[in-house]
Amino acid sequence: EAEVAQSPRYKITEKSQAVAFWCDPISGHATLYWYRQILGQGPELLVQFQDESVVDDSQLPKDRFSAERLKGVDSTLKIQPAELGDSAMYLCASRFGQVRETQYFGPGTRLLVL
Amino acid sequence: GENVEQHPSTLSVQEGDSAVIKCTYSDSASNYFPWYKQELGKRPQLIIDIRSNVGEKKDQRIAVTLNKTAKHFSLHITETQPEDSAVYFCAASMRTGANNLFFGTGTRLTVIP
Repeated sequence: EAEVAQSPRYKITEKSQAVAFWCDPISGHATLYWYRQILGQGPELLVQFQDESVVDDSQLPKDRFSAERLKGVDSTLKIQPAELGDSAMYLCASRFGQVRETQYFGPGTRLLVL
Repeated sequence: GENVEQHPSTLSVQEGDSAVIKCTYSDSASNYFPWYKQELGKRPQLIIDIRSNVGEKKDQRIAVTLNKTAKHFSLHITETQPEDSAVYFCAASMRTGANNLFFGTGTRLTVIP
């Protein structure tokens, strides 16, 4: 069964450093989401792509976060500079398209900022 | 935007008993309500979902009920087993358009053998 892939699984960095996370959605899934999950809470949407276009980035802290999906397949989320409050799990999810609602999640990247 | 509240935050049951988790939502335009199970260190996995044109859906030991008028939906797990222990998240979204999922804060279910 196809799954969403993410790397790295764990990342430890110091504040003010740059970090990047990668996501490869299920093949054929046009819609891709990045969520942030703080320990003990539910995931919160950061950015949504439809193919290579950003559909919603209203909750993305654009002064330090950026996301791209250049060819409409895999995606990268970057934080520069990282802050202590960015420590969280970053989850990627994908969905086939408009007619199928189910979002499939990747294993996540757990970020610790020291 | 949508606001989803989930209760309780923790739930302990004896093996074989039933567990019920409840969620409320604020946006009457929401019409798709999935439930995800997240085991420690693993990805959230969809376990069941319901659409607003249905009041109840069942899949073996798991059932979900939806009350559109009251804007609340619930997850019911019967004959609980130790492997049901996990964090469960409810979510709400509109099926079309952006389809952003708005999640509850999660319920940590512990099934005691």
